Amino acid sequence: QKEVEQNSGPLSVPEGAIASLNCTYSDRGSQSFFWYRQYSGKSPELIMFIYSNGDKEDGRFTAQLNKASQYVSLLIRDSQPSDSATYLCAVRGGSTLGRLYFGRGTQLTVWP
Amino acid sequence: DTAVSQTPKYLVTQMGNDKSIKCEQNLGHDTMYWYKQDSKKFLKIMFSYNNKELIINETVPNRFSPKSPDKAHLNLHINSLELGDSAVYFCASSRDISYEQYFGPGTRLTVT
Repeated sequence: QKEVEQNSGPLSVPEGAIASLNCTYSDRGSQSFFWYRQYSGKSPELIMFIYSNGDKEDGRFTAQLNKASQYVSLLIRDSQPSDSATYLCAVRGGSTLGRLYFGRGTQLTVWP
Repeated sequence: DTAVSQTPKYLVTQMGNDKSIKCEQNLGHDTMYWYKQDSKKFLKIMFSYNNKELIINETVPNRFSPKSPDKAHLNLHINSLELGDSAVYFCASSRDISYEQYFGPGTRLTVT
């Protein structure tokens, strides 16, 4: 069983701060890494994906990947109350026919 | 325009009944998926179809049967519903098995 671990939180940060969400995975052959945001009662929404080691930035979001450490993170700069949601880390292995393994999510609360 | 749509949004039914959930995507994607999200919010893949061919069939009771009449549609039929089937079922699609997945709005199934 391929494992994806996230701190369940809740993670609470003030508005304007940087929120840092972390994820580790067990399958060293994993190739693709995704961050989804899920508001309560809604479906997962893709916000970032990263395939190569290093950083990938998109607006206020930065995904960081370190394959040697089997670690992927998501930084949210200038956090807003509207960022309050559960963030799901998902990992695709090297030969899993597109199968994504999800972590249990980190609940983020941004307070004004 | 809705990219991935599901019907119905809510489904309340009694134990022992048979029900179906429908999914359609208008993104021109080749691959579609069914996920189950339990009460603890853990998201787990059930099935995947690529070009109408079943490629992922996780350890799911035989009472669950997917059907893909064409690349844009993936339905899920559930026989003899049990209390433990209560969950939110998400459909997702991707360009092919290597690409990021986009989720539908979900179907909340409640079995009484």
